[in-house]
Amino acid sequence: EAGVTQFPSHSVIEKGQTVTLRCDPISGHDNLYWYRRVMGKEIKFLLHFVKESKQDESGMPNNRFLAERTGGTYSTLKVQPAELEDSGVYFCASSQGNGLGRNTEAFFGQGTRLTVV
Amino acid sequence: GENVEQHPSTLSVQEGDSAVIKCTYSDSASNYFPWYKQELGKRPQLIIDIRSNVGEKKDQRIAVTLNKTAKHFSLHITETQPEDSAVYFCAASISTGRRALTFGSGTRLQVQP
Repeated sequence: EAGVTQFPSHSVIEKGQTVTLRCDPISGHDNLYWYRRVMGKEIKFLLHFVKESKQDESGMPNNRFLAERTGGTYSTLKVQPAELEDSGVYFCASSQGNGLGRNTEAFFGQGTRLTVV
Repeated sequence: GENVEQHPSTLSVQEGDSAVIKCTYSDSASNYFPWYKQELGKRPQLIIDIRSNVGEKKDQRIAVTLNKTAKHFSLHITETQPEDSAVYFCAASISTGRRALTFGSGTRLQVQP
């Protein structure tokens, strides 16, 4: 079974440009999460999809970030326009969410390293 | 919201020694505590987790302990090996099946051969 895949693995863009990150979760996983790790700090939550719906987007830093999950499969995270402080590693994770009120393991992608110069 | 503190930020041990990483959390409603290991250039992977209805869990050379009263939990690695070198993250969540994880800042463990 394929794991969580993210594309691209690295991206270097200039301040003011637009970048779109993509995440393909494990097939059948309803829950999809975006996280970000900045400058060796904690892995910080950005938002959470359940199927195609945004369950929690409280971690999104500002309106320059837009996430979508059309059809409840893959997700994209667009940053427009990018700023220097957006640099970091963006992780995507997915989990089944068995509906029994218990967490199931979150599987992570390898991340996209974004550098804004 | 939940806040997770993790210490130390770096840890260097000799091969064969034990390593202990400690985390505290703030939300008493949290009841699910996973630990992730991230090797250089690879994805974070779950190595062990514990739920609040138990105080300790072991899996070969790794163990996790949880003190709900004090709101802290720890990762213990015994007989460390060079391949244990990685960044370790603790996390906390409310086990409702659909809640995101709150992570600690990570511990870089270096096992010296």
